[in-house]
Amino acid sequence: DQQVKQNSPSLSVQEGRISILNCDYTNSMFDYFLWYKKYPAEGPTFLISISSIKDKNEDGRFTVFLNKSAKHLSLHIVPSQPGDSAVYFCAASSRGATNKLIFGTGTLLAVQP
Amino acid sequence: GAGVSQSPSNKVTEKGKDVELRCDPISGHTALYWYRQSLGQGLEFLIYFQGNSAPDKSGLPSDRFSAERTGGSVSTLTIQRTQQEDSAVYLCASSTPRDRDYGYTFGSGTRLTVV
Repeated sequence: DQQVKQNSPSLSVQEGRISILNCDYTNSMFDYFLWYKKYPAEGPTFLISISSIKDKNEDGRFTVFLNKSAKHLSLHIVPSQPGDSAVYFCAASSRGATNKLIFGTGTLLAVQP
Repeated sequence: GAGVSQSPSNKVTEKGKDVELRCDPISGHTALYWYRQSLGQGLEFLIYFQGNSAPDKSGLPSDRFSAERTGGSVSTLTIQRTQQEDSAVYLCASSTPRDRDYGYTFGSGTRLTVV
């Protein structure tokens, strides 16, 4: 059972335009959501997070939006740069002893110069 | 060290052999996680260590998989009698209990190939 879903395996965007990556979840107990970025042969690196008490969090070119009623979140990158080309993973957790993250399958973003 | 260190970076083994994968977390990080990423898949949780608490082993796929963490620092993931479906990138991550805002710090992973 895939609790965190990223339905788009890949996305191609022109440099300077907006990239929108989407993520859906099924577990209503999730209360914290994160985005990670992964380059080939490297481990994932943390990008941005959002708590379920918020509906938006912004950090520079990156903004995450959370729609709890739809169990949907999205990552917006504006403006997109070629260096943003990577695999983006959405992850979720619920407060508890483990604090483990449940990851989606990732979206490969290609930003064309 | 400055980051999470994993060794080896690559491992090719014959089916049926045992392998050990090592993780050195960031100094002072009390939580340590193992994940794996199979081809075309997301990151799959395997096991979690937090301080002296009993580990959360709920993600281990079979009893051929085990992990230990010695002295609250270095961790070893052992896979016995490896199978071809064990081929994946095994990722280790560490964090502090208050790292919820920043997530984990991952190592670069060990790419395991079972032939």
